[in-house]
Amino acid sequence: IQLTQSPSFLSASVGDRVTITCRASQGISSYLAWYQQKPGKAPKLLIYAASTLQSGVPSRFSGSGSGTEFTLTISSLQPEDFATYYCQQLNSYREGLTFGGGTKVEIK
Amino acid sequence: EVQLVETGGGLIQPGGSLRLSCAASGFTVSSNYMSWVRQAPGKGLEWVSVIYSGGSTYYADSVKGRFTISRDNSKNTLYLQMNSLRAEDTAVYYCARDKLAAAGLGYYYYMDVWGKGTTVTVSS
Repeated sequence: IQLTQSPSFLSASVGDRVTITCRASQGISSYLAWYQQKPGKAPKLLIYAASTLQSGVPSRFSGSGSGTEFTLTISSLQPEDFATYYCQQLNSYREGLTFGGGTKVEIK
Repeated sequence: EVQLVETGGGLIQPGGSLRLSCAASGFTVSSNYMSWVRQAPGKGLEWVSVIYSGGSTYYADSVKGRFTISRDNSKNTLYLQMNSLRAEDTAVYYCARDKLAAAGLGYYYYMDVWGKGTTVTVSS
């Protein structure tokens, strides 16, 4: 299963509403997670089951979608949110897990 | 505190072997699915392998037949044995816990705990 993220690069200002899209090459129900990664650091889980917020993650992050189209939304971008975001499908370990190509969010 | 610490990375020549370790604390490795994920320099994330709590293992096509995932329950440690290494295996290797949780009407896996990673460089 291939995951296509868009855009691959995004320039935004503090306070902006940001939306990142992840499209799956076939239906994956809600077996999708979102991660944030900062340079030199391990990924951090934000969202699982497409729309469930991980404990401790700010409520400005939200996820939606099912099947083949998913979105990650940051309602009001904060300075600490400038990072790269990845979607990941966990539909079947036997068939292999995959990540999207990533979306780098930078300061405008 | 729940924590994962990877060790064993380094510089290795093409065709060589290396074993990565991932020591867990605060939870039991054998009670969880555990994965290895890698990231080549300047590139995105790539899932490498998983070991189920029951012991079944699965691999990405890119490493199948060359890498072996295993664990030592007495040491609460996950391993990745990497043989026949290639330049394209150069990456930071992360271990992660795959957690199962109920959400909505179903159960879903996700990677909730990650180590800081260990760097593998395959070069002559």
